[in-house]
Amino acid sequence: DGGITQSPKYLFRKEGQNVTLSCEQNLNHDAMYWYRQDPGQGLRLIYYSQIVNDFQKGDIAEGYSVSREKKESFPLTVTSAQKNPTAFYLCASSQGGRVNQPQHFGDGTRLSIL
Amino acid sequence: DQQVKQNSPSLSVQEGRISILNCDYTNSMFDYFLWYKKYPAEGPTFLISISSIKDKNEDGRFTVFLNKSAKHLSLHIVPSQPGDSAVYFCAASYHNAGKSTFGDGTTLTVKP
Repeated sequence: DGGITQSPKYLFRKEGQNVTLSCEQNLNHDAMYWYRQDPGQGLRLIYYSQIVNDFQKGDIAEGYSVSREKKESFPLTVTSAQKNPTAFYLCASSQGGRVNQPQHFGDGTRLSIL
Repeated sequence: DQQVKQNSPSLSVQEGRISILNCDYTNSMFDYFLWYKKYPAEGPTFLISISSIKDKNEDGRFTVFLNKSAKHLSLHIVPSQPGDSAVYFCAASYHNAGKSTFGDGTTLTVKP
């Protein structure tokens, strides 16, 4: 089955520690996205990538970093600079980055601070 | 500045009745609008979309209406079913933007 896989489902981070969230897709989509969702709020865009080896900052990129070395993979690193990292993180992909297309989402990773 | 707004955080309707979810936007460049449905602890799933060249798009029980002059769109679900209980997100994008802007969501509860 084609889809997006996010791992792990739950992640705990100690203060001052960097953590990396995995996102893999086998839909052959060009574009990939990372969103953050806080309770009672919508999805806020962290980073997005239209093609391999290229990515752009979203609305709340501070304290996060990404890479796009392969079409299938778009890992997100939550750095120690992100002061409030506790949230639900969603990865998505779409077929053609600059053409209006629906996004397909993974089931998310819930990150908590110990 | 929130460009996509869903002013009703929650909506409760009786099974079999119509559910109407509303969404307003401020950016006149938006030309493509989508609705997503989300269950707890899962990612959103695409429900229905509409291009700005249309004012209505229908898919089974789901219809989206677009009023460009009012910068307003709505999602109608008829008849509503208990399985429709979820959070519904409105999203908007424009050609070449490469990204979508989401509203805060409306939690729909359909009572049996």
